[in-house]
Amino acid sequence: GDSVTQMEGPVTLSEEAFLTINCTYTATGYPSLFWYVQYPGEGLQLLLKATKADDKGSNKGFEATYRKETTSFHLEKGSVQVSDSAVYFCALSIHTGNQFYFGTGTSLTVIP
Amino acid sequence: ETGVTQTPRHLVMGMTNKKSLKCEQHLGHNAMYWYKQSAKKPLELMFVYNFKEQTENNSVPSRFSPECPNSSHLFLHLHTLQPEDSALYLCASSQMGQRDYEQYFGPGTRLTVT
Repeated sequence: GDSVTQMEGPVTLSEEAFLTINCTYTATGYPSLFWYVQYPGEGLQLLLKATKADDKGSNKGFEATYRKETTSFHLEKGSVQVSDSAVYFCALSIHTGNQFYFGTGTSLTVIP
Repeated sequence: ETGVTQTPRHLVMGMTNKKSLKCEQHLGHNAMYWYKQSAKKPLELMFVYNFKEQTENNSVPSRFSPECPNSSHLFLHLHTLQPEDSALYLCASSQMGQRDYEQYFGPGTRLTVT
């Protein structure tokens, strides 16, 4: 079935470090891929998305590229800030269905 | 109001109480969702409504009863809850039928069952 697998957390980085959070997917169709972020005490917010192979989504310095050959959508940021501390969720949706599949979330803490 | 709103933001209730959570979306979407988010557990999809019709019910106990009177409003009626039902309840909406129908989330209701 369709699913998303993302790296286990928690992840702790120093400010200005490079961030990678891995995400791989399994899908029977042609999914759209998303990264959501959840700050403490809040709901999930869409961070970025990509709707077809080789698309790159980007927002707030974060980037992720839709890699069909490796079925991956890894999240990267070149220099993290303390304000990036949050939980990050990878997700996919299939056009023909009404389901959204979320990963288990990866907690990121950035220390000064 | 913009986006997806949820009320109340925090709720404490006893096991014998009856309460309701409310969600409203101001995005013109045709689908709405309830999720449960518990500590150290994956996000759990509870219910899906598409054009006011329930299309998904993921084996949710009957003490949770959803209601979708129109495409903008979604309720979750709660009764005889258990302490393990304490969690963050998230509402979301989307526009089904589009290629990239991302979900938009509300801020959640933090529920504590005592």
